[in-house]
Amino acid sequence: KNEVEQSPQNLTAQEGEFITINCSYSVGISALHWLQQHPGGGIVSLFMLSSGKKKHGRLIATINIQEKHSSLHITASHPRDSAVYICTIKAAGNKLTFGGGTRVLVKP
Amino acid sequence: KAGVTQTPRYLIKTRGQQVTLSCSPISGHRSVSWYQQTPGQGLQFLFEYFSETQRNKGNFPGRFSGRQFSNSRSEMNVSTLELGDSALYLCASHQGGDGYTFGSGTRLTVV
Repeated sequence: KNEVEQSPQNLTAQEGEFITINCSYSVGISALHWLQQHPGGGIVSLFMLSSGKKKHGRLIATINIQEKHSSLHITASHPRDSAVYICTIKAAGNKLTFGGGTRVLVKP
Repeated sequence: KAGVTQTPRYLIKTRGQQVTLSCSPISGHRSVSWYQQTPGQGLQFLFEYFSETQRNKGNFPGRFSGRQFSNSRSEMNVSTLELGDSALYLCASHQGGDGYTFGSGTRLTVV
């Protein structure tokens, strides 16, 4: 079993819909990151969380340390949000472990 | 401030050759980490450097090595290339409680 599990693997939404991506992990962590990867490979770090909730524009990330679970929400989704979203944990030894990613397609 | 710069962007090598990839972190960042991304395995951690010292290493064979210089620039080297080493190699720079900033990656094709 992977240390980091994401769901769903793929998601298609209509423009304007609310999107939720879930991430569960099985080890103690010092931080959790949400990354966005567009076609072509470039990766952008969206959030770094160690507790609670963070918001940036239409993106909201939450984490529940006790339940070892995080969610990434996209409100009022737009075609430019189409990308792969990757949950990443920073556990013991400081190395990052990655989830398999969620491929999001937002249709106009 | 300038982002993370990886060179080259694209590379084609032949099996058995060796390759060196370069990563220049954000100015002031002393931590650089390297990752391999393949369609089959996804993103995997290779190693992390801090102030010229390797702080952590992933589960890759000894053909994969790296180093960091006093100006924080880092290089990774893969010797005796195999077809399976074809991948996107990403580096990220980070400092303290800051998030990670990724470079655009080097796409390596081994033929």
